[in-house]
Amino acid sequence: QKEVEQDPGPLSVPEGAIVSLNCTYSNSAFQYFMWYRQYSRKGPELLMYTYSSGNKEDGRFTAQVDKSSKYISLFIRDSQPSDSATYLCAMSGQAGTALIFGKGTTLSVSS
Amino acid sequence: NAGVTQTPKFRILKIGQSMTLQCTQDMNHNYMYWYRQDPGMGLKLIYYSVGAGITDKGEVPNGYNVSRSTTEDFPLRLELAAPSQTSVYFCASNTGSGLNQPQHFGDGTRLSIL
Repeated sequence: QKEVEQDPGPLSVPEGAIVSLNCTYSNSAFQYFMWYRQYSRKGPELLMYTYSSGNKEDGRFTAQVDKSSKYISLFIRDSQPSDSATYLCAMSGQAGTALIFGKGTTLSVSS
Repeated sequence: NAGVTQTPKFRILKIGQSMTLQCTQDMNHNYMYWYRQDPGMGLKLIYYSVGAGITDKGEVPNGYNVSRSTTEDFPLRLELAAPSQTSVYFCASNTGSGLNQPQHFGDGTRLSIL
């Protein structure tokens, strides 16, 4: 079983839809969870950062962590064409351990 | 504030050639990283550095070398280019709070080896 699993998609939705992106993981030591957005031919940029379990909201974006199920989610409300990108989850354990990235999910939002 | 700057943006190499991918950051970050991103494979850590003069191997270091003589610069060297090294290479950095913290990325170098 891979440490981090992420459905690569592609995922296509109409403008205004609610989008749910997910990752599962196997290492119970993971406690730092991140979502990065990567536009075509650009580097990843940090979108959301969560420590341990719970929810975090930032505008149209909500990150959820369920450590009991080893499952994290990113929700995008009122999706826009500008949200079309690849979304990478990343996670890590205690200090001194490197980030582990998912393979990324490609999202396309049509107007 | 430029952040993390990578050069060149694109390069085509012949098998057996060597080259250096440049990375510089202007945020005074201690930690710097090199990743490769292959289609559908996510980001794989090649090498990282926790400060000037200190480097360490990541998950996929074979065929690469790095150095860190200054806080700002972290070049990646390919000595004998092989087709398996065709990839997009990203440099990243963060503050001295640890390998497990969010990183700032450059826009990548697209390298093809033919």
